[in-house]
Amino acid sequence: SQQGEEDPQALSIQEGENATMNCSYKTSINNLQWYRQNSGRGLVHLILIRSNEREKHSGRLRVTLDTSKKSSSLLITASRAADTASYFCATETPQGGSEKLVFGKGTKLTVNP
Amino acid sequence: DGGITQSPKYLFRKEGQNVTLSCEQNLNHDAMYWYRQDPGQGLRLIYYSQIVNDFQKGDIAEGYSVSREKKESFPLTVTSAQKNPTAFYLCASSIFGGTGELFFGEGSRLTVL
Repeated sequence: SQQGEEDPQALSIQEGENATMNCSYKTSINNLQWYRQNSGRGLVHLILIRSNEREKHSGRLRVTLDTSKKSSSLLITASRAADTASYFCATETPQGGSEKLVFGKGTKLTVNP
Repeated sequence: DGGITQSPKYLFRKEGQNVTLSCEQNLNHDAMYWYRQDPGQGLRLIYYSQIVNDFQKGDIAEGYSVSREKKESFPLTVTSAQKNPTAFYLCASSIFGGTGELFFGEGSRLTVL
């Protein structure tokens, strides 16, 4: 069951520009997480935002959450070629002690030097 | 160094053969997960385990089996009943089941010849 859906599917920008990726979901959540995946590698956790939080920062990353619109955005500022990767949102929904994460299909980001 | 180790990284299998993918963690995490990733797709949950000697089916468990005899280990067997097993398999763990960030291994790529 796919809960989160990222937009756009692919994004190509120049080094130094900002990159914004969006995630929409369908049901209420406990938290929403963003992960990064370099080609052929495992996923790396970037940031977790809880349902009662609206914005979080971590270095060059800024995540917002709008529970009324059931959407989140990930902003990467001053992008670098090394930011080239796929970015996934994952939602944790309340399931009475059996909570698990459901991942979207991801946004493929290419940062051109 | 704490982390999750998956092996083998690449595996080729003939149709009709069972194969077992290894996943070991030394993070002392209670919960472990297996995900499947197909090209251009998000992650789909196969099985998860929140405690030793217990595991639950995820969204696509048919054709797969797991065991959790030790806290550190969560092997996945891809059986001959799995109709389309060629995929990238990712193992993950978390401190507690269902909440917080997931820590991923580097993945195992299975190709059926």
